[in-house]
Amino acid sequence: DTGVSQDPRHKITKRGQNVTFRCDPISEHNRLYWYRQTLGQGPEFLTYFQNEAQLEKSRLLSDRFSAERPKGSFSTLEIQRTEQGDSAMYLCASSPQNPSNRIGGARGGSEQYFGPGTRLTVT
Amino acid sequence: AQKITQTQPGMFVQEKEAVTLDCTYDTSDPSYGLFWYKQPSSGEMIFLIYQGSYDQQNATEGRYSLNFQKARKSANLVISASQLGDSAMYFCAMGRRALTFGSGTRLQVQP
Repeated sequence: DTGVSQDPRHKITKRGQNVTFRCDPISEHNRLYWYRQTLGQGPEFLTYFQNEAQLEKSRLLSDRFSAERPKGSFSTLEIQRTEQGDSAMYLCASSPQNPSNRIGGARGGSEQYFGPGTRLTVT
Repeated sequence: AQKITQTQPGMFVQEKEAVTLDCTYDTSDPSYGLFWYKQPSSGEMIFLIYQGSYDQQNATEGRYSLNFQKARKSANLVISASQLGDSAMYFCAMGRRALTFGSGTRLQVQP
């Protein structure tokens, strides 16, 4: 399987605990994204990396959240002092920097391929 | 800021018929992409189709086509010859890197 993988698939934790999620992107993709999806809503952007550089962060990403991509390959998302409001599906996606066969090149962005997600439940 | 609006919370369609899922957007960026994703009950987000803001022709991918009307800021998804396996949530999204998603439309295909 050469798609995006995420680990763990499910995580149940008690309020106040720290949790860490891992994402392995498609190997030739240099862009990696994190999103959060709550029940009945579309995904919300959290942050993205180009190679190892974190280039954009949403204001949803409070000080308790931190993401890394140390070698430009896999990424981790850590939530410290979890709260019940952190309960959600955390989705990772990856994309190539320069999509091929695209009229106008990459001006309109690249399609993002999503992993299966990590469902976090904070009790 | 970017905004995506999907006004149809739920849609029903008969198997083998075509269905259009509506999407309107708002942005001040001159260059952007429009995307449609499918999310079955299993939860994974599946990329369906892409339309660039500079593209002159509407995008097509198999049974999926995107009706792009730039002046009206709409990017409707048309699914032809619906199949039972098309039953899922469908999300419209836009952006260049950070994608903004709509609230989704739940499509149910009836036999």
